[in-house]
Amino acid sequence: GENVEQHPSTLSVQEGDSAVIKCTYSDSASNYFPWYKQELGKGPQLIIDIRSNVGEKKDQRIAVTLNKTAKHFSLHITETQPEDSAVYFCAARRGMKTSYDKVIFGPGTSLSVIP
Amino acid sequence: GAGVSQSPSNKVTEKGKDVELRCDPISGHTALYWYRQRLGQGLEFLIYFQGNSAPDKSGLPSDRFSAERTGESVSTLTIQRTQQEDSAVYLCASSLASGFAGQYFGPGTRLTVT
Repeated sequence: GENVEQHPSTLSVQEGDSAVIKCTYSDSASNYFPWYKQELGKGPQLIIDIRSNVGEKKDQRIAVTLNKTAKHFSLHITETQPEDSAVYFCAARRGMKTSYDKVIFGPGTSLSVIP
Repeated sequence: GAGVSQSPSNKVTEKGKDVELRCDPISGHTALYWYRQRLGQGLEFLIYFQGNSAPDKSGLPSDRFSAERTGESVSTLTIQRTQQEDSAVYLCASSLASGFAGQYFGPGTRLTVT
């Protein structure tokens, strides 16, 4: 069945450094890739997403890149701050305008930003 | 505007009892999902509702689990004869119908079965 792998499972960086989280997906029909941030005791929050017709998308300090050929996508956080510490989940979905397909989540990456 | 709300926020129950968890999605969101998250683990899909279509129940772990949704509004997840392994956070999310729409999660209900 469909699968999303995510690496690393844990990541520690110094404040101000960059953090990169990588995901791979198995379903070649996937064309929508959201990223979620989950802080302790809270539900996941959508932070950025990308469609398969785009190779890169930026929003302030976060960016997502997509390589459809390799079925890889990555989250990049620059100038990390302590408040970036959280668990990050990637996901893949066959996004279609008028129908739904199940969202497949990666297992998560626990990011710690050390002040 | 208001986000996804869930109630109760915490529930402690004795093994063997039934529990009912509630989710109020964002107004206008026709898609609604339930997930289970065990401590330190990822998101486990349980069930999905989309408009008037038949729900996708493929993630429900046993026949003790069931869920209902009234139209395009509130949903309830019911766990009968709870077991200790049911202890987890149950998360609800909603989204627009478009497959390119992200999901918006509620804060979850933490269920503890003693």
